Amino acid sequence: DGGITQSPKYLFRKEGQNVTLSCEQNLNHDAMYWYRQDPGQGLRLIYYSQIVNDFQKGDIAEGYSVSREKKESFPLTVTSAQKNPTAFYLCASSLFSGANVLTFGAGSRLTVL
Amino acid sequence: KQEVTQIPAALSVPEGENLVLNCSFTDSAIYNLQWFRQDPGKGLTSLLLIQSSQREQTSGRLNASLDKSSGRSTLYIAASQPGDSATYLCAVSYSYNTDKLIFGTGTRLQVFP
Repeated sequence: DGGITQSPKYLFRKEGQNVTLSCEQNLNHDAMYWYRQDPGQGLRLIYYSQIVNDFQKGDIAEGYSVSREKKESFPLTVTSAQKNPTAFYLCASSLFSGANVLTFGAGSRLTVL
Repeated sequence: KQEVTQIPAALSVPEGENLVLNCSFTDSAIYNLQWFRQDPGKGLTSLLLIQSSQREQTSGRLNASLDKSSGRSTLYIAASQPGDSATYLCAVSYSYNTDKLIFGTGTRLQVFP
């Protein structure tokens, strides 16, 4: 079955550590996205990639980094520069940039201790 | 600033009731509007997408309407069931960047038997 796989589902990190969240899709989608969700708030766009080897900052990119070396993979690194990294992170993809019909992964919950 | 608001924040209804969820947006020049469902601790599932030129979309027991001039959309759920219990989010996009969805904070729905 086609879909998006995010790992790990739960992650605990000490302050000052970088962590990388994995996002893999087998849908042959061109565009991929990372969102952050906090309690009581809507999803906010961190980074997105319209095509391989290209990515753009979203609304809250500070303290995060991404890469898109392969079409199916879009990992997100939460760096120590992110002031409040505890959140639920969602990866999504769409057939092409701007298609808007997104397929989401199940999410990764990051807790900073 | 473009904002999306959803009212009510939470709703609890008995099984079988018809119900309406509301979404309002500050900038009416949207490209499209989308309704999503999110189960606890999970990713989002796209329910309905309405293009700016459309007035409504239907899928099964769900009907979404769009009134651009008033900056509003409603999601109508007919004959609600316990399986409809979830958080419902709306999101809008604008033509200047169709990759960027602006999400509301969601309505948490509980349907009890």
